[in-house]
Amino acid sequence: GENVEQHPSTLSVQEGDSAVIKCTYSDSASNYFPWYKQELGKRPQLIIDIRSNVGEKKDQRIAVTLNKTAKHFSLHITETQPEDSAVYFCAASSEGTYKYIFGTGTRLKVLA
Amino acid sequence: NAGVTQTPKFQVLKTGQSMTLQCAQDMNHEYMSWYRQDPGMGLRLIHYSVGAGITDQGEVPNGYNVSRSTTEDFPLRLLSAAPSQTSVYFCASSYNPGGVEQYFGPGTRLTVT
Repeated sequence: GENVEQHPSTLSVQEGDSAVIKCTYSDSASNYFPWYKQELGKRPQLIIDIRSNVGEKKDQRIAVTLNKTAKHFSLHITETQPEDSAVYFCAASSEGTYKYIFGTGTRLKVLA
Repeated sequence: NAGVTQTPKFQVLKTGQSMTLQCAQDMNHEYMSWYRQDPGMGLRLIHYSVGAGITDQGEVPNGYNVSRSTTEDFPLRLLSAAPSQTSVYFCASSYNPGGVEQYFGPGTRLTVT
């Protein structure tokens, strides 16, 4: 069946360093790729998303890249801060079909 | 707007008991869904609805029922609780099917003993 693989499962970085989280999807029909941040005990919240007609998208310190050929997409966080510590989930979805497949999550720890 | 709300926040059940998790949204979203979140397994879709009166199964529907009598409400029923249903449950809604942001509720932490 369709799935989304996410790596790494945990990631520790020093404050100010960059963090990269990678996801691979299997469904060629997927054309929408959101990233959610979940702080401890809180709900997942969208931080950035990308559609299949775009290769890269940036929002301040956060960027997402998409390689449709390889079915990879990645989240890049630059100049990490302690408040970036959270669990990050990637997902793949297809417009018009109510199906979101989530990755298993990456626990990011930013060390002060 | 309150967004997506869920009740209760915490619940402890004994094996075999039944209960209903409540979910409501005030954004007039047609599309609503229920997920369960277990350690190391991400979010898995239980059931979803594309509008009032229309529901369908997701990835892990066994042991759960849903109904959608209004646009606003989408309750999840556990018919006979089992320890395997210990999890955190999230309700979500969106204004389109796929391809758009989902808005999540605050979650319900359920423990079945």
